[in-house]
Amino acid sequence: QSVLTQPPSVSAAPGQKVTISCSGSSSNIENTYVSWYQQLPGTAPKLLIYENNKRPSGIPDRFSGSKSGTSATLGITGLQTGDEADYYCGTWDFSLRTDVFGTGTKVTVL
Amino acid sequence: QLHLQESGPGLVKPSETLSLICSVSGDSIRTTDYYWGWIRQPPDEGLELIGAIRYSGDTYYNPSLRSRVTMSVDTSKNQFSLVLRSVTAADTAVYYCTRRRANLNWYDPWGQGTLVTVSS
Repeated sequence: QSVLTQPPSVSAAPGQKVTISCSGSSSNIENTYVSWYQQLPGTAPKLLIYENNKRPSGIPDRFSGSKSGTSATLGITGLQTGDEADYYCGTWDFSLRTDVFGTGTKVTVL
Repeated sequence: QLHLQESGPGLVKPSETLSLICSVSGDSIRTTDYYWGWIRQPPDEGLELIGAIRYSGDTYYNPSLRSRVTMSVDTSKNQFSLVLRSVTAADTAVYYCTRRRANLNWYDPWGQGTLVTVSS
């Protein structure tokens, strides 16, 4: 059972905005960096956001990350059909002494 | 450009041992800035870390798998490997190898993944 909780699904029309929450605790999110991954159907996960709010080269600025306390948030603006995917947060857990991932959120473009 | 590629059997019998290799190209595995990790994803489920290793041998494992897992690095071949013992059907998953930035908690890039099915 994951220590990071995400909503199972979010949806919006093309061009709209969605946000995905990642809820953790003082053993993980609150005291270290969070990363986000996009997994398109049938493919490997891809790094989307690292160190809470940084975007790797090639990731459009429609994707943004933030962190506050024991939660992190991924935002996607100008939603496109190509954004339909599963999204996962990830971080280090100091109590478990290992990396942990969120439960995953499926984004649907209506 | 860094590239990772998993290889190994796609079918393993229950109670036997799963062995996978990840071949790294485009950069040396001999770096203290990165760990090399294995992450798996059972069908229609989420991501689960198996463990990660640095070329120096420094490792950490998922506590739930620690008793069955061994990871190692072969710097001469620029590869790292995973051994998972006493497998059951619950170990059926796509297994990904990936690179982890030390202390900064992000994985990039990822291999394409390899499906391992545990079945008699």
